Amino acid sequence: EVQLVDSGGGLVQPGGSLRLSCAASGFTFSSYAMSWVRQAPGKGLEWVSAITGGASSTYYADSVKGRFIISRDNTKNTLYLQMNSLTAEDTAVYYCAKDRSSSWYVGYFDSWGQGSLVTVSS
Amino acid sequence: DIQLTQSPSFLSASVGDRVTITCRASQGISTYLAWYQQKPGKAPKLLIYTAFILQSGVPSRFSGSGSGTEFTLTISSLQPEDFATYYCQQLNTYPQTFGPGTKVEIK
Repeated sequence: EVQLVDSGGGLVQPGGSLRLSCAASGFTFSSYAMSWVRQAPGKGLEWVSAITGGASSTYYADSVKGRFIISRDNTKNTLYLQMNSLTAEDTAVYYCAKDRSSSWYVGYFDSWGQGSLVTVSS
Repeated sequence: DIQLTQSPSFLSASVGDRVTITCRASQGISTYLAWYQQKPGKAPKLLIYTAFILQSGVPSRFSGSGSGTEFTLTISSLQPEDFATYYCQQLNTYPQTFGPGTKVEIK
C-alpha cells in the first residue's frame, strides 16, 4: 500500500525558514515524480513544486520561485521542501503528492500525504 | 496561467440525486483535466484523469466528460459518502492550476 507521511510543519516567523519532509513507502519511490501542493486555510488547492523521479528536473510555481527548493533522497525514500523567506501568504497545509504514472512530471496525483500545517506569523 | 472556473460553487442535493459539476477553462486544454474529491480535514483524492478515465478503485457512479474548454463531473446517484468538495485541475499548460472547488452538501 502506498503511504506518504508529511512532517516538519510548524509556526515560523515572517522571513524565517522551514523544511518539510515526506516519507514514502509501498512503491518504488525513484520511479515517480513527486510534487508539493498547498492549501491555505479555507481556500482551494495550489500546486507549489515538482521534481522528477531521478531528480534531474525541478519545477516551481511563480509564487515560490527563488524562495523554495524541492529535493529528494531516493536512498531514503524521502521528499523535501526547503522553504525560505516565508511570508504570511505561505501559511497553508502542505501536501506531498505522487504522480500517477511516471518518473516524469505529469501532474495527476494518485496518492497524497496527510498534510503538514505551516503557519507564518509573528 | 490558465484559469479554471467551476459551477456551481455550492450545491445542495439529496441521496440518490444525479449531480453534475461543470469546469470551464480560460483556453483550450484538450483533455488534460482531472477531478479530485476532498473531505474536511483530509487530503484530496483523485477521481478522474484525462477528463474521462476513472481512477482505479473509484466507484462507477462517478464519470467525467468534455474536452477543450468545458468539462463535467457527474455523480449518477449521490451517496452519503460523496458529500465533499470537488476540484478540477488542468495539466495542459504549465503551471498546472486547480479550479476553486464545488462544495456538495446534504439537502
